Amino acid sequence: LAKTTQPISMDSYEGQEVNITCSHNNIATNDYITWYQQFPSQGPRFIIQGYKTKVTNEVASLFIPADRKSSTLSLPRVSLSDTAVYYCLVPGDSGYALNFGKGTSLLVTP
Amino acid sequence: DTAVSQTPKYLVTQMGNDKSIKCEQNLGHDTMYWYKQDSKKFLKIMFSYNNKELIINETVPNRFSPKSPDKAHLNLHINSLELGDSAVYFCASSQEGKREETQYFGPGTRLLVL
Repeated sequence: LAKTTQPISMDSYEGQEVNITCSHNNIATNDYITWYQQFPSQGPRFIIQGYKTKVTNEVASLFIPADRKSSTLSLPRVSLSDTAVYYCLVPGDSGYALNFGKGTSLLVTP
Repeated sequence: DTAVSQTPKYLVTQMGNDKSIKCEQNLGHDTMYWYKQDSKKFLKIMFSYNNKELIINETVPNRFSPKSPDKAHLNLHINSLELGDSAVYFCASSQEGKREETQYFGPGTRLLVL
C-alpha cells in the first residue's frame, strides 16, 4: 500500500479556511487520491477525489501538484459541524484494499 | 432509505462466546467490505466480497468468518471472542470493487468483549 502521512490533529475557529496536507511520495501512476470524513460514532463518508491539479465540489477543494506526491484538502469557512477526522487515501499496489491510517482530527471551535 | 445498514449497533458479550454482525446494502453494489476500527482509531480492512466471492483477507484470524448469502448481504461471524476483538466494526460497499470507487459505510457495530 502506498503510505500516506498527514497531521494527527488540527484546530480552527469557525469561519476560517482549513487546509489539510497529505504526503504520498510513493503514489502509483494510475492511483487516485481520495479523502473521507468521519464524524464521531459514524462510518467514514466520501468527500472528494482527484487525480491531478484541482477538483472542487460543494464540500471541499482538492489541490494536487504536478508531481502528485502530496495533496491538500481545503475546507472553506469551516463550521462547528466540520469537526471530524479526515482521511487521505491512496490505494497503492494492493488491489481492493484501502488503508485509512489515523487521519487528521480537526477540531473547530467558536 | 438507509444505504448500508448494520445490526446490532451495540454488542456486549463475554470472552469465548460466538457472535454475528449483519450487514445489508440496498445500493445494488457488487462488492462489500468489513473494516475494524480499534481503540487507537486505525481503520483497517478485514475482508472484501465481490459478488459473493472472497477477494481479500488481510491476515485476519480464522475465528472471523465472513458469510455472504447474496450480494446485498455480508455477515461477519466471530468465534471464541477475545478481549482484543473489542472494536467498532464497519461494513461498506462499492459498485464493482475498483480502487478508485467510492465506498459507502454503515453506521458501525460497537463490540465490547468482557
